[in-house]
Amino acid sequence: EVQLVESGGGLVQPGGSLRLSCAASGFTFSGYWLHWVRQVPGKGLVWVSRINSDGSSTSYADSVKGRFTISRDNAKNTLYLQMNTLRVEDTAVYYCARVQWGSLDNWGQGTLVTVSS
Amino acid sequence: DIVMTQSPDSLAVSLGERATVSCKSSQSVLASSNNKNYLAWYQQKSGQPPKLLIYWASTRESGVPDRFSGSVSGTDFTLTISSLQAEDVAVYYCQQYYSTPPTFGQGTKVEIK
Repeated sequence: EVQLVESGGGLVQPGGSLRLSCAASGFTFSGYWLHWVRQVPGKGLVWVSRINSDGSSTSYADSVKGRFTISRDNAKNTLYLQMNTLRVEDTAVYYCARVQWGSLDNWGQGTLVTVSS
Repeated sequence: DIVMTQSPDSLAVSLGERATVSCKSSQSVLASSNNKNYLAWYQQKSGQPPKLLIYWASTRESGVPDRFSGSVSGTDFTLTISSLQAEDVAVYYCQQYYSTPPTFGQGTKVEIK
């Protein structure tokens, strides 16, 4: 069974940093591209970032470019999102998701990031 | 960026009746290389992560009931639930994955009338 489990969320002050993790199991992690998608509670889905299967190629939403860094450790079957210079508007549930045929076929349960003073 | 616009924002349908959700892309998401539309539909129930229902605009994900179907006409996409069940109450999102950034529609809330 494919499983994606996010962790690392929490309360942080504006300007602070957090690192999210997404632990994967049940599939060959190194064979798949992965994305981060976020959602303000009660609002819609917003794409954040993606990484290819070996970590050599990444993309970011304009709203996080230069502040967030996506990475992966294929030996540990783990995806990361390093979030720096956090803003109040980064408050959201962050999901990791696996790519299959371009669409996102498996999602984690999400981890809540709250940026507030 | 490709803008995805869904309609309506919400709809209420009686049990057993048809529910139709529309999604329009601001530009084509059809790839000439494989003649596929790079469009997916997701279902998100309250308190849960999204679940993939349909990809390539009309291919049902494994395990998804056949009452869910997707269709396309140009840049207009439709998700149809042929006979609404109580467990289908959710927010439905379309998403294009033709170009970066991938973009989602704003969501359509489907409820029981």
